[in-house]
Amino acid sequence: TQLLEQSPQFLSIQEGENLTVYCNSSSVFSSLQWYRQEPGEGPVLLVTVVTGGEVKKLKRLTFQFGDARKDSSLHITAAQPGDTGLYLCAGYSGNTPLVFGKGTRLSVIA
Amino acid sequence: DSGVTQTPKHLITATGQRVTLRCSPRSGDLSVYWYQQSLDQGLQFLIQYYNGEERAKGNILERFSAQQFPDLHSELNLSSLELGDSALYFCASSVVLGLNTEAFFGQGTRLTVV
Repeated sequence: TQLLEQSPQFLSIQEGENLTVYCNSSSVFSSLQWYRQEPGEGPVLLVTVVTGGEVKKLKRLTFQFGDARKDSSLHITAAQPGDTGLYLCAGYSGNTPLVFGKGTRLSVIA
Repeated sequence: DSGVTQTPKHLITATGQRVTLRCSPRSGDLSVYWYQQSLDQGLQFLIQYYNGEERAKGNILERFSAQQFPDLHSELNLSSLELGDSALYFCASSVVLGLNTEAFFGQGTRLTVV
């Protein structure tokens, strides 16, 4: 069974701070996605990383895929209250449906 | 708007009852997935259909079943409901792009069993 471990589970920070959340697995994935979910809504895709070592930037969010394609990180610069939500990583290996981590619940306080 | 439609948004029912959740995928997507989300378990994969056929099965209970119809909409049937079945149920549709797949989620159905 492929598992994705996300850390930390909970994170509460002040507006303007930087943060990094992690997504780790012992399995290799052909691609990895990050989703953000707000209360009462479904997860919304933020980014997909495919190549080992790949770095993608989405405004203040930087996503990195590990060289071995087993792990990923999400770094947020100068966090804002609008960044509050549940951040989920999901891995795809081509022969199984997307496997999700349990998520990091981020709270950014103004 | 993801393009995936789920109904109903909320459902309250009693233990022992049976309910049906409905999902319409994005136009053109052949794959439909069902996930269950509870506070302590995260998003748990239940079942996947592709173009009307079951493609993969996850931790789906025998009391639960699903199907995908010729028009590609899908239904998830939950029977003999128990209190522990209370959760958010999400449907997602996806397109496979080479080594990658991207899933688009509906807004979910919040099921409360009382």
